[in-house]
Amino acid sequence: ETGVTQSPTHLIKTRGQQVTLRCSSQSGHNTVSWYQQALGQGPQFIFQYYREEENGRGNFPPRFSGLQFPNYSSELNVNALELDDSALYLCASSPNSGPNEKLFFGSGTQLSVL
Amino acid sequence: AQSVAQPEDQVNVAEGNPLTVKCTYSVSGNPYLFWYVQYPNRGLQFLLKYITGDNLVKGSYGFEAEFNKSQTSFHLKKPSALVSDSALYFCAVRDGSSASKIIFGSGTRLSIRP
Repeated sequence: ETGVTQSPTHLIKTRGQQVTLRCSSQSGHNTVSWYQQALGQGPQFIFQYYREEENGRGNFPPRFSGLQFPNYSSELNVNALELDDSALYLCASSPNSGPNEKLFFGSGTQLSVL
Repeated sequence: AQSVAQPEDQVNVAEGNPLTVKCTYSVSGNPYLFWYVQYPNRGLQFLLKYITGDNLVKGSYGFEAEFNKSQTSFHLKKPSALVSDSALYFCAVRDGSSASKIIFGSGTRLSIRP
């Protein structure tokens, strides 16, 4: 069983640039969610995709956008990067989108915005 | 609105002693409660969840959690701590009416001394 994989593991960008982070969900999982974890804080929910459709979003501006592909892998895109976007970005997959589903997390992408 | 609080930033326990990591929550509907653990440079790993039924939930690595509806708490416990339990622990809650959104607490760092 292949776990959740994220790429790249580390990334350095400058303010104003755009970034794309990638996530491969665990085999058999059709739901992917993205989280931002700032240093010393808990993960903050960005959005969730279920069968290629966004089905929930947290309090993040529209410059945070995403995609889910037919194989259920996903991308997180962030435009017009700001210094405060520096964080660990976590992807998690689950077998379905129900509230009782446990999440399987990747190891994250550490984004630094200079 | 959903919220979750972990009142202790750090908990220190001697190996072999019992441990408790506290969590309180607030949701408008039925709560779905989770505990996750994060080791350095890793994503979060699922420990246990409460959906409905028995108030004492057993999970991975000998951990258990006690659901208390009147006190809106979901404390994590272990009868005998191991040094290897040292990590960052997150409590999380989902509201059944907004299944996609999961709210994480700020985390509690558990330190087990030999």
